[in-house]
Amino acid sequence: DTVLTQSPALAVSPGERVTISCRASESVSTRMHWYQQKPGQQPKLLIYGASNLESGVPARFSGSGSGTDFTLTIDPVEANDTATYFCQQSWNDLTFGSGTKLEIK
Amino acid sequence: QIQLVQSGPELKKPGESVKISCKASGYTFTDYAMHWVKQAPGKGLKWMGWINTYTGKPTYADDFKGRFVFSLEASASTANLQISNLKNEDTATYFCARSRSKLLPFFDYWGQGVMVTVSS
Repeated sequence: DTVLTQSPALAVSPGERVTISCRASESVSTRMHWYQQKPGQQPKLLIYGASNLESGVPARFSGSGSGTDFTLTIDPVEANDTATYFCQQSWNDLTFGSGTKLEIK
Repeated sequence: QIQLVQSGPELKKPGESVKISCKASGYTFTDYAMHWVKQAPGKGLKWMGWINTYTGKPTYADDFKGRFVFSLEASASTANLQISNLKNEDTATYFCARSRSKLLPFFDYWGQGVMVTVSS
């Protein structure tokens, strides 16, 4: 299985820029996608194909990377962005990262 | 608008079976694959596999071979997940999720999730 490693938690202040990283145990090309999940809700697609913004998602969200290292950037962060963010690869079957819990101070 | 509406919460005993449904609306059901994702309490997301909604062929991730069955009621635009011989570790929320692309599977629409609790 392709293992995706994410840092467990981050805390930032509103208006700041935050980067959430996802490292794959092997190359996944650009087959990386990002989701936001708020407590008690289903995940929501933010970014697909490493850098493509899903329709309706604010342009404050962006994605980059290829191969094994990927980044989700939120700039500027808003209070409403408090959530857990998951990466997911679709190069070798499908696996998810363990999630990064983002706290807005 | 596109919606995936799942059935309600379930409370089961170990050894019993459960069947969860996922009814799609707002698009042509057979044009998009349906995937299933497990989320144990307080944990991350785990991909269970998918079903080809055109052919009905299921594909299971390694950890979900044996007790898990994906099926369709295509005339009702509904995908089902059945889990037999339930174990305590099956306690989780189960999501259905639509995959926009066969070549690049990612999930653009999700059901609201079904909480399955297994307890004696």
